[in-house]
Amino acid sequence: AAGVIQSPRHLIKEKRETATLKCYPIPRHDTVYWYQQGPGQDPQFLISFYEKMQSDKGSIPDRFSAQQFSDYHSELNMSSLELGDSALYFCASSPRLAGEADNEQFFGPGTRLTVL
Amino acid sequence: AQKVTQAQTEISVVEKEDVTLDCVYETRDTTYYLFWYKQPPSGELVFLIRRNSFDEQNEISGRYSWNFQKSTSSFNFTITASQVVDSAVYFCALSEDQAGTALIFGKGTTLSVSS
Repeated sequence: AAGVIQSPRHLIKEKRETATLKCYPIPRHDTVYWYQQGPGQDPQFLISFYEKMQSDKGSIPDRFSAQQFSDYHSELNMSSLELGDSALYFCASSPRLAGEADNEQFFGPGTRLTVL
Repeated sequence: AQKVTQAQTEISVVEKEDVTLDCVYETRDTTYYLFWYKQPPSGELVFLIRRNSFDEQNEISGRYSWNFQKSTSSFNFTITASQVVDSAVYFCALSEDQAGTALIFGKGTTLSVSS
């Protein structure tokens, strides 16, 4: 079965650089979520989108922005990177259709971002 | 506010022992969902179970079982006859009954199973 695809899987950046993470949800899933997991931490919700509109917002820094495109893929843009942004970034997707599992989020493999 | 507490930070057992991971949650919602995820050393989050607040039936899946008790706001996870491959971080999570909303994770319990 198709899963959530995230790219790149690993990314190394310098401080103050920018980074773009991409997420391709499971086919027919129209809701996308982003989570950040620091070393030894639990995943923290950043933001979610449904039908290209922001659905919920968590602790996403102002330096970060995200959007969902017409093909439902999503991109997380991170600017002025800081050492503390080094983390595993997960994307998840879920369907929002009648009869489907409610809010069951399927996670991608994650993008490991290292800021030097 | 929603909150998930996993009081056990680390647990170490020997193979074939049974182990229970505790999860206590707080929410004001009457309808909500509870989850368990496994995160092995490779880093991916593996979905284990989802339970809605109206379904208090315990569930068993192979060596895994879950005990949901609304009266104590707990959703505990038991691994029977643990194996080395069970070594991982286990997260309990909570969400509202609305698609598009966040999963609130507990801090996780690191389970180490030695041979």
